[in-house]
Amino acid sequence: QKEVEQNSGPLSVPEGAIASLNCTYSDRGSQSFFWYRQYSGKSPELIMFIYSNGDKEDGRFTAQLNKASQYVSLLIRDSQPSDSATYLCAVSTGKLIFGQGTTLQVKP
Amino acid sequence: GAVVSQHPSWVICKSGTSVKIECRSLDFQATTMFWYRQFPKQSLMLMATSNEGSKATYEQGVEKDKFLINHASLTLSTLTVTSAHPEDSSFYICSAEGQGKGQPQHFGDGTRLSIL
Repeated sequence: QKEVEQNSGPLSVPEGAIASLNCTYSDRGSQSFFWYRQYSGKSPELIMFIYSNGDKEDGRFTAQLNKASQYVSLLIRDSQPSDSATYLCAVSTGKLIFGQGTTLQVKP
Repeated sequence: GAVVSQHPSWVICKSGTSVKIECRSLDFQATTMFWYRQFPKQSLMLMATSNEGSKATYEQGVEKDKFLINHASLTLSTLTVTSAHPEDSSFYICSAEGQGKGQPQHFGDGTRLSIL
């Protein structure tokens, strides 16, 4: 079992829709959770981080954490074509463990 | 805030050349920096953790004599790929961890290394 798992996608949504990206992790002791966006050929860019159970909102982005279920998600509201990228879920265990990433395609 | 600068962006060189990549935290002090490598269509692979003033910690399977890491100050870490060969061609990315436990890592723009 991989330490951090994501569906590789691609996840395709129409412009203006909500995109839902999911991630599960195996280490119950994990305390910090991150979502990074990576455009093709570029380095990752921090989108959100969350430490506590529940929701955390920042603009169009909402991160959700459920430690009991070992589940992290990222919701993108009013998706735009510019949101098309690979989204990396990362869990900190002293060092960052990345999932394989989910490719999101937002179609105009 | 939390800007990480990485240079150079691109390197093309002949096999056998040694290549140095610099990673700087511009507006914060980074006790710990990380070096990653990413092959096409794959996720980031941690190569080593760089600690200011001490030896780097390498991940399993990463040759420490091949990938030399120096973290001489709180704002600068360097990765030197020694005697590079075509199989070392990849996208190398550094990151710096914000101060405080559990802080996010902020990434440099990456260095695309091509060995001919």
